[in-house]
Amino acid sequence: AQSVTQLDSQVPVFEEAPVELRCNYSSSVSVYLFWYVQYPNQGLQLLLKYLSGSTLVKGINGFEAEFNKSQTSFHLRKPSVHISDTAEYFCAVSQGNFNKFYFGSGTKLNVKP
Amino acid sequence: DVKVTQSSRYLVKRTGEKVFLECVQDMDHENMFWYRQDPGLGLRLIYFSYDVKMKEKGDIPEGYSVSREKKERFSLILESASTNQTSMYLCASRPGDRGTGELFFGEGSRLTVL
Repeated sequence: AQSVTQLDSQVPVFEEAPVELRCNYSSSVSVYLFWYVQYPNQGLQLLLKYLSGSTLVKGINGFEAEFNKSQTSFHLRKPSVHISDTAEYFCAVSQGNFNKFYFGSGTKLNVKP
Repeated sequence: DVKVTQSSRYLVKRTGEKVFLECVQDMDHENMFWYRQDPGLGLRLIYFSYDVKMKEKGDIPEGYSVSREKKERFSLILESASTNQTSMYLCASRPGDRGTGELFFGEGSRLTVL
């Protein structure tokens, strides 16, 4: 079975600073990779996804992520964060037919003024 | 826009009660999912359904059952609620074709079992 590791449970950062949220997964065989964001008291919404092609993926709200097959990583980055980016971020991996998704434990991003 | 609606945002139940959590999606998606979200554990799949009356167990099905009588509606049932089922429950759906794989989530149902 696939496992997804988000080593940082919380990341505090000042507004306008860059941020990287880390995600590593266990198996590199035919994986599809996703980042979701959850704002307080809401469900999850898709930030970006990697299915194939270019390893650098751009998503909504200025976020991007890079698929690194050799390091089995899919780290999320933003060059300059805003207060409104305060949320919990989940990395997810799927294989095959998208009926099974493996989620990381989440990283809470706290953007301070 | 896809909308996934969970009927109850907050519920408080007593141990041993039967609990129904309802989820409705309005985009004719074939696949529907129930996840449980706990701090530090991320999301864990309870059950999913790929068609009406069809279901498959996820990673933590014990203590839960599901019902999908209509395409748009997927219900999660706790036959006899226990305190360790206190959690946030998230419903999700996605189209039947492989497409982009994106899951569309409801806003969640926070269940407290006393």
